Amino acid sequence: QQQVKQSPQSLIVQKGGISIINCAYENTAFDYFPWYQQFPGKGPALLIAIRPDVSEKKEGRFTISFNKSAKQFSLHIMDSQPGDSATYFCAASIIGTGNQFYFGTGTSLTVIP
Amino acid sequence: DAGVIQSPRHEVTEMGQEVTLRCKPISGHDYLFWYRQTMMRGLELLIYFNNNVPIDDSGMPEDRFSAKMPNASFSTLKIQPSEPRDSAVYFCASGLRGVGNQPQHFGDGTRLSIL
Repeated sequence: QQQVKQSPQSLIVQKGGISIINCAYENTAFDYFPWYQQFPGKGPALLIAIRPDVSEKKEGRFTISFNKSAKQFSLHIMDSQPGDSATYFCAASIIGTGNQFYFGTGTSLTVIP
Repeated sequence: DAGVIQSPRHEVTEMGQEVTLRCKPISGHDYLFWYRQTMMRGLELLIYFNNNVPIDDSGMPEDRFSAKMPNASFSTLKIQPSEPRDSAVYFCASGLRGVGNQPQHFGDGTRLSIL
């Protein structure tokens, strides 16, 4: 059973556009939501993370929007660049339960110059 | 500070052979995770350790898979005997438990091909 559902599976965006990746979860006990970025041949690397006590977190061109009532969160990449082309994973975990992360299935983002 | 180090980076072997993947976590991290990544199934958690003790191995697909963590700086994932369907990228990650939650730090993986 997939604990975290991610969409879309793939995404193509023009340079300068906005990339949006969505995730949904069911377990209301989740209280930590990181996003990971993975380039070919590399391991996933933490991009940005949010706790459910805030509705938005921004770091540079990357923003997480969090909707606790809908149990959804999303990653927005503003002014998308070709260097952002990668696979993005959302994840969720419960603080204090052993650091186990539940990952989404990933979104392959391609930014066209 | 060095990140998570995995070896080998690539492994090609024939079906039936024993395969051993190695991982050195970040110094001081007390959690270690083994994942498998395939196109079909994405990132799957196989097993994780806390302070060198296996906590949850429910993701280990079969008895052919085993993992050990003899000390805080080394872990192995072994497949014996290997099968073509084991072909995947295997990642090791480490993490630190603290106030709030802590991110997992991934190695660059071992790309395993079983012929």
